[in-house]
Amino acid sequence: EAGVAQSPRYKIIEKRQSVAFWCNPISGHATLYWYQQILGQGPKLLIQFQNNGVVDDSQLPKDRFSAERLKGVDSTLKIQPAKLEDSAVYLCASSPGPSNQPQHFGDGTRLSIL
Amino acid sequence: SQQGEEDPQALSIQEGENATMNCSYKTSINNLQWYRQNSGRGLVHLILIRSNEREKHSGRLRVTLDTSKKSSSLLITASRAADTASYFCATDATGGGNKLTFGTGTQLKVEL
Repeated sequence: EAGVAQSPRYKIIEKRQSVAFWCNPISGHATLYWYQQILGQGPKLLIQFQNNGVVDDSQLPKDRFSAERLKGVDSTLKIQPAKLEDSAVYLCASSPGPSNQPQHFGDGTRLSIL
Repeated sequence: SQQGEEDPQALSIQEGENATMNCSYKTSINNLQWYRQNSGRGLVHLILIRSNEREKHSGRLRVTLDTSKKSSSLLITASRAADTASYFCATDATGGGNKLTFGTGTQLKVEL
């Protein structure tokens, strides 16, 4: 089966600019996750979707980050305006359901803020 | 916030040796999962162990879970250079709905 697809792989922007990341999960996976991974740390969950509804966005900085999952398939994560501390790898993952399931990760988007 | 702490932070061994990584966590869990991450890539799921299980095997991997001590260990036997990667434990807290909290990771280097 095809894995989780993410684009772009790399993005360089200046602070205060906006950026968007795209994720296509594994076909049939109802649950989609966005993580932020800062260099040298483990991933931190930003938002979890179940189909097209938000399950948890408690760690999403809502003043600058937004995410949507229209039609319960693809998802986009946006940052506007970007800050220097947003430099990280943004990982998308999906799982078949919401409990006791392994998550399948894409290769991420590496974001650098100048 | 990081729930789990892996120990050691870095580990360097020779090919053929065994590698053991430990993970401690803070809250009650539904399950604990181990993932591998190669440089510049996403995470790959290795093993999921449920809170009512004590030990699980998959190929050269052995995972133990001690819920009374809130700790887990990952053993890789007969390591290979291809096992060089970062290894993370992640916990699905009770009532968390598959929301994973990752530890800080162990960087494993296997030398020829």
